Amino acid sequence: AAGVIQSPRHLIKEKRETATLKCYPIPRHDTVYWYQQGPGQDPQFLISFYEKMQSDKGSIPDRFSAQQFSDYHSELNMSSLELGDSALYFCASSKGTGEPGANVLTFGAGSRLTVL
Amino acid sequence: EDQVTQSPEALRLQEGESSSLNCSYTVSGLRGLFWYRQDPGKGPEFLFTLYSAGEEKEKERLKATLTKKESFLHITAPKPEDSATYLCAVEGSNYKLTFGKGTLLTVNP
Repeated sequence: AAGVIQSPRHLIKEKRETATLKCYPIPRHDTVYWYQQGPGQDPQFLISFYEKMQSDKGSIPDRFSAQQFSDYHSELNMSSLELGDSALYFCASSKGTGEPGANVLTFGAGSRLTVL
Repeated sequence: EDQVTQSPEALRLQEGESSSLNCSYTVSGLRGLFWYRQDPGKGPEFLFTLYSAGEEKEKERLKATLTKKESFLHITAPKPEDSATYLCAVEGSNYKLTFGKGTLLTVNP
């Protein structure tokens, strides 16, 4: 079965540089989520998109932006990178039917960003 | 604001030694409680969804239960391959998913 595909898997950047992460959701999933997970931390919600429109926003820094394209893939753009941005970035997708408990997120393998 | 507290933070078991992980939550209008397993450097893997008190679900050596205030993940006769971080999350009436900080389970052979 197709899973959530993220690229790149690993990325090393210098401070103040820019990084772009890509996510390809499971086909026919209508919602995409981005999470940031620091070492030993739980996943922190950044932003989500439903049918290519931003649906919710979490603790996403103003330096970060994201969008979902017509083919449903999503990109997370991070500018003016800081050391504290080093983390695992997960994309997840879901096909929420609106029924309670049905909103199961399928996560990708993550992109590990290291800022030096 | 929805909150999820997991305990213990870390648990070390011997192979075959059964135990339980706890997930306490406060949420406005529970739409679902989710358990995920996460291996180091990998994305969380879905295990269970529970959405009403009294509900139970099982998968191999894992059994999840739910009350109005907490959920337990029971691990029966664990094996070393069960070692992972187990994350609990709740979805409230705002459709947002709130994660706990997880329990790091280590099962020694």
